[in-house]
Amino acid sequence: QKEVEQDPGPLSVPEGAIVSLNCTYSNSAFQYFMWYRQYSRKGPELLMYTYSSGNKEDGRFTAQVDKSSKYISLFIRDSQPSDSATYLCAMSSDSGGSYIPTFGRGTSLIVHP
Amino acid sequence: DVKVTQSSRYLVKRTGEKVFLECVQDMDHENMFWYRQDPGLGLRLIYFSYDVKMKEKGDIPEGYSVSREKKERFSLILESASTNQTSMYLCASSFSGHYGYTFGSGTRLTVV
Repeated sequence: QKEVEQDPGPLSVPEGAIVSLNCTYSNSAFQYFMWYRQYSRKGPELLMYTYSSGNKEDGRFTAQVDKSSKYISLFIRDSQPSDSATYLCAMSSDSGGSYIPTFGRGTSLIVHP
Repeated sequence: DVKVTQSSRYLVKRTGEKVFLECVQDMDHENMFWYRQDPGLGLRLIYFSYDVKMKEKGDIPEGYSVSREKKERFSLILESASTNQTSMYLCASSFSGHYGYTFGSGTRLTVV
């Protein structure tokens, strides 16, 4: 079992839809959770960062962490064609002295007009 | 606007060549990283560095080396390029990996 699982998609939705992107993980020590957006032929850019459980909102984006289920989500409201990209989750822990995050392989999102 | 700059967007090299990929950051970050990204395999860590002159192997260091002579610059070296090193190479820097990376735009390397 991989440490971080993420459905590769593609996930295709109409403009204006609410999008839910998800990752599951197996390492209960993970405490720091990140979401990156990567446009085609570009490097990933950090979208959201959360620590431990709970929700965090930034504009149309909401990150949610459920540590009891080892499950994190990124919600995009009122999705736009410009949101079409690959979304990668990443997570890390303090244990072992390493802060190197473990990345999911990414979910491809297509928002069509 | 903070930046991680990779010197080349696209490179084509021949098998056996020594290849240098350069990365510069302007955020005064201690930590710098080199990843490669391949379809279906995701991001894989090649090497990272906590400080000047310091380097640590990542998950796939074979066939690569790195150099960090200055805090802002981290170079990836392919000692003898092979076709299986054709990939997208991404440089990143961070204050702490817990709080996220800033990535460069990537270098798409093709080895023929």
